[in-house]
Amino acid sequence: GQNIDQPTEMTATEGAIVQINCTYQTSGFNGLFWYQQHAGEAPTFLSYNVLDGLEEKGRFSSFLSRSKGYSYLLLKELQMKDSASYLCAVRDNYGQNFVFGPGTRLSVLP
Amino acid sequence: DSGVTQTPKHLITATGQRVTLRCSPRSGDLSVYWYQQSLDQGLQFLIQYYNGEERAKGNILERFSAQQFPDLHSELNLSSLELGDSALYFCASSVGGQGMEGETQYFGPGTRLLVL
Repeated sequence: GQNIDQPTEMTATEGAIVQINCTYQTSGFNGLFWYQQHAGEAPTFLSYNVLDGLEEKGRFSSFLSRSKGYSYLLLKELQMKDSASYLCAVRDNYGQNFVFGPGTRLSVLP
Repeated sequence: DSGVTQTPKHLITATGQRVTLRCSPRSGDLSVYWYQQSLDQGLQFLIQYYNGEERAKGNILERFSAQQFPDLHSELNLSSLELGDSALYFCASSVGGQGMEGETQYFGPGTRLLVL
């Protein structure tokens, strides 16, 4: 079946680094995506990984290991505005469906 | 502002009715995606179009249909509406094609549908 796991909630301190993990089991693999969503707002696309390794984009980095079915999103130099939900999604091979995880609610404290 | 527009912003209707949600992608984007987000289901992918053709299909109900027109705007049609269809419906667009540039999606503000 299709399954994506993420921690439900995380808390971190302003200025710190936080790593949000995502594990997946899907029918094939055709890319992994991370989105940020502030409460009551539309999601914002953060990153896309299709090959193993690290993709860096400013304060945000995303890592993928296809053999382990594992990804993480790394947020550096945390700011209060990073308090949001972070969604991991995988596109499978069959029908190219996007399967979303439940999201991780990150709270950044002063 | 992502450059993706959705209309209407809010929609209130009754069970059994049919509604049409509209999305205009960013200028130059060929791909359009539709998502549904409800409190109990989280974000769900419905369907993707690329340059007028269906590219990918998610958990879209048979009562729902979509299309992308030659000018690349897209419409999502929801029929025989049920209470459980109440949700936020997001449209996103991307350039399309391979790699980070092709896959980066820009989301519209969403249409909030309430079925009474």
